[in-house]
Amino acid sequence: GQQLNQSPQSMFIQEGEDVSMNCTSSSIFNTWLWYKQDPGEGPVLLIALYKAGELTSNGRLTAQFGITRKDSFLNISASIPSDVGIYFCAGENAGGTSYGKLTFGQGTILTVHP
Amino acid sequence: EAQVTQNPRYLITVTGKKLTVTCSQNMNHEYMSWYRQDPGLGLRQIYYSMNVEVTDKGDVPEGYKVSRKEKRNFPLILESPSPNQTSLYFCASSLSMLASDTQYFGPGTRLTVL
Repeated sequence: GQQLNQSPQSMFIQEGEDVSMNCTSSSIFNTWLWYKQDPGEGPVLLIALYKAGELTSNGRLTAQFGITRKDSFLNISASIPSDVGIYFCAGENAGGTSYGKLTFGQGTILTVHP
Repeated sequence: EAQVTQNPRYLITVTGKKLTVTCSQNMNHEYMSWYRQDPGLGLRQIYYSMNVEVTDKGDVPEGYKVSRKEKRNFPLILESPSPNQTSLYFCASSLSMLASDTQYFGPGTRLTVL
């Protein structure tokens, strides 16, 4: 099936630092989603993007839908210890038999040192 | 409280012993899905269901079965588990399969097949 390349795979940062992660695909996506998974729990939706070039914020989180529709990034500003977890990007393919189907990235493991 | 529940949360079993992981949602969602999460591979879809009695294969359906006899339940069946099915499993549900409808994930089931 489709694959998204998410990077970096892991990050170790100090509290207060900004964080940036991204996802790229070889095919076009209609929708980009960013999820966070806390330890021992299921993923929870953070931000959804529906239009190329769209920039959306949710508190300290900002995400953008790439102009080419093949990439997206997520920024976290002024990180805090509770930002720890695994962040996943997910995309919905544009048309064809994959319509409506989500493909997930490999995840970025974020560790924040107090 | 709106939620997706999975049982059991943890299971250790042996090769070949049939097992079922239950999933239930109380949000009257039409769309339900099963994913497996493996390190470095992110979330991969196993099976999904768009409504009662409508199921279809995801990206990694081999070795799994599902059924959707009622709207709220979507059990995952492993007829003859093998060690390569050791993984963390998530059930998810949403109003429809459109990416614009938020997917809500269960807490996960950690399965070990010896």
